[in-house]
Amino acid sequence: NAGVTQTPKFQVLKTGQSMTLQCAQDMNHNSMYWYRQDPGMGLRLIYYSASEGTTDKGEVPNGYNVSRLNKREFSLRLESAAPSQTSVYFCASSGSGVRGTEAFFGQGTRLTVV
Amino acid sequence: GNSVTQMEGPVTLSEEAFLTINCTYTATGYPSLFWYVQYPGEGLQLLLKATKADDKGSNKGFEATYRKETTSFHLEKGSVQVSDSAVYFCALSEGAGGTSYGKLTFGQGTILTVHP
Repeated sequence: NAGVTQTPKFQVLKTGQSMTLQCAQDMNHNSMYWYRQDPGMGLRLIYYSASEGTTDKGEVPNGYNVSRLNKREFSLRLESAAPSQTSVYFCASSGSGVRGTEAFFGQGTRLTVV
Repeated sequence: GNSVTQMEGPVTLSEEAFLTINCTYTATGYPSLFWYVQYPGEGLQLLLKATKADDKGSNKGFEATYRKETTSFHLEKGSVQVSDSAVYFCALSEGAGGTSYGKLTFGQGTILTVHP
């Protein structure tokens, strides 16, 4: 079972460069999420998509954009990378509906902006 | 807003020692509470959860009880193993269903190292 797959696993960018982080899930989940993990701060929600065709801001959306390409895929774009965006990025998905299901996380993308 | 506070780490224990990692929260309404574990180089995995007051979540020998009166969800294990070495995150979500299990507020994480 693949679960949630993120690409790439590692990336180094120069300040001002752009890039897109890809995420795909094969669990038929309606909802998908992007988090960033910084030392001593836990994970913080950047954006989420409750269902295909919708996206909403989380706690730290500035400097990012997202696209819910279809039910399986949810990408995160950095238009002009800054050193403050150096972090580990995690994509997650969860089932929705009346009961919902736990969130499943990808293995993360370690991004360094120099 | 919502917040989760975990005990400061790192925590270093010998194998078979008793583990407690404290977690307290601030939230409006009636949140669901979770413990996630992150092994080196991996993503987060759900360890256990509790969705209402007095519920006890348990998995792999770990337990945590949802205490509304003290707004706490402390993680415990009676006898840790070297393989339990990981980072542990306490988290909460609001409501039930929908995106509630994925829109999480995390604590800062506690690094646990268990020595043989």
